[in-house]
Amino acid sequence: KAGVTQTPRYLIKTRGQQVTLSCSPISGHRSVSWYQQTPGQGLQFLFEYFSETQRNKGNFPGRFSGRQFSNSRSEMNVSTLELGDSALYLCASRAPGQGNYGYTFGSGTRLTVV
Amino acid sequence: KQEVTQIPAALSVPEGENLVLNCSFTDSAIYNLQWFRQDPGKGLTSLLLIQSSQREQTSGRLNASLDKSSGRSTLYIAASQPGDSATYLCAVGRYDGNKLVFGAGTILRVKS
Repeated sequence: KAGVTQTPRYLIKTRGQQVTLSCSPISGHRSVSWYQQTPGQGLQFLFEYFSETQRNKGNFPGRFSGRQFSNSRSEMNVSTLELGDSALYLCASRAPGQGNYGYTFGSGTRLTVV
Repeated sequence: KQEVTQIPAALSVPEGENLVLNCSFTDSAIYNLQWFRQDPGKGLTSLLLIQSSQREQTSGRLNASLDKSSGRSTLYIAASQPGDSATYLCAVGRYDGNKLVFGAGTILRVKS
């Protein structure tokens, strides 16, 4: 079965612009989480969606937002991009059943802000 | 606040060696713990998931143990191969399992 699909794989944006990243979870998975990975901070939790509702949110500014659609696909938006937003953004999905199942991650979107 | 530490930060071993990667966490009230592998520039590949009620999990040459009371987990890799070279990440799931807190990872290089 298909894994977690993230698009696009690479993006180059200019400071001040906004960007939207997309994530399609594994079929049947309703929980979708987003993480930011940078060399300095490592992997940090952004937010988690379940059945179109944001269930958890990490410590990121309001410029970072997301949503989930009825088919469980999720999008993440970053507005007013800053150089420090350059990172690998990873999406993960998990099967229903709370924590009984582990997360499956996508290949990520590499965002470069210039 | 949960903090996860991985030791060592980097490890270089000759092919065939057995090795142990360590992960420690500050809050023992975890739901589960997951080990991942990450190749350069790639996403994460799940290796093993241990529920808080379990002591260990095994998959092929990999064995992960969990001691929740002491806040420790180890990943044992038997008979290492050059293809095992990657960054290994430990992640702790909080009480509801819905948020992972990651360690900084151990960069492993297996020399042929």
